[in-house]
Amino acid sequence: AQSVSQHNHHVILSEAASLELGCNYSYGGTVNLFWYVQYPGQHLQLLLKYFSGDPLVKGIKGFEAEFIKSKFSFNLRKPSVQWSDTAEYFCAVILTGGFKTIFGAGTRLFVKA
Amino acid sequence: DGGITQSPKYLFRKEGQNVTLSCEQNLNHDAMYWYRQDPGQGLRLIYYSQIVNDFQKGDIAEGYSVSREKKESFPLTVTSAQKNPTAFYLCASSIQGAGYEQFFGPGTRLTVL
Repeated sequence: AQSVSQHNHHVILSEAASLELGCNYSYGGTVNLFWYVQYPGQHLQLLLKYFSGDPLVKGIKGFEAEFIKSKFSFNLRKPSVQWSDTAEYFCAVILTGGFKTIFGAGTRLFVKA
Repeated sequence: DGGITQSPKYLFRKEGQNVTLSCEQNLNHDAMYWYRQDPGQGLRLIYYSQIVNDFQKGDIAEGYSVSREKKESFPLTVTSAQKNPTAFYLCASSIQGAGYEQFFGPGTRLTVL
């Protein structure tokens, strides 16, 4: 069955630390990949997406993610986190041409000021 | 302002009662979705609709029902057959066509007493 796995459920970092959140998926075909973020008290919103082309994609607020097809991975990175990055982050995958998005379980990030 | 509204934000019901959650969008999106969010499980798809008067079951449709009589509205009914209805429910919409990002509402937290 198709699935999305996020490696860490909870991450605690100090401000200015680097961030990498892991995401692996199991899908047989070509996929579109997303990272969504849910800040406290706010709507879930898109952080970045990959459809095709350059496997290194840049999103809002200094986030980036790299698609490594051979590893079925789409890890999220940020060189230096801020307190305002405290949120829950969801990796999501959809088969190209499909209509059903599969979400990972989410990673709660807490950044200490 | 374009967006998705869900009402109410908090909902309490007695066990055995059906309850309907509202979802309205003014983004002119064809596709709409209902998800259930539980801690540590990410978002799980309940139902989705690609076009008016048509909808499909997602991964956890048992105990839920939907209708799509208007493009902008996609109400979800949680029936008494749903064994564990207490959860956070999210509605989303997207442009018709596979792979597009989804836009989310603020969610409704349903508590069944």
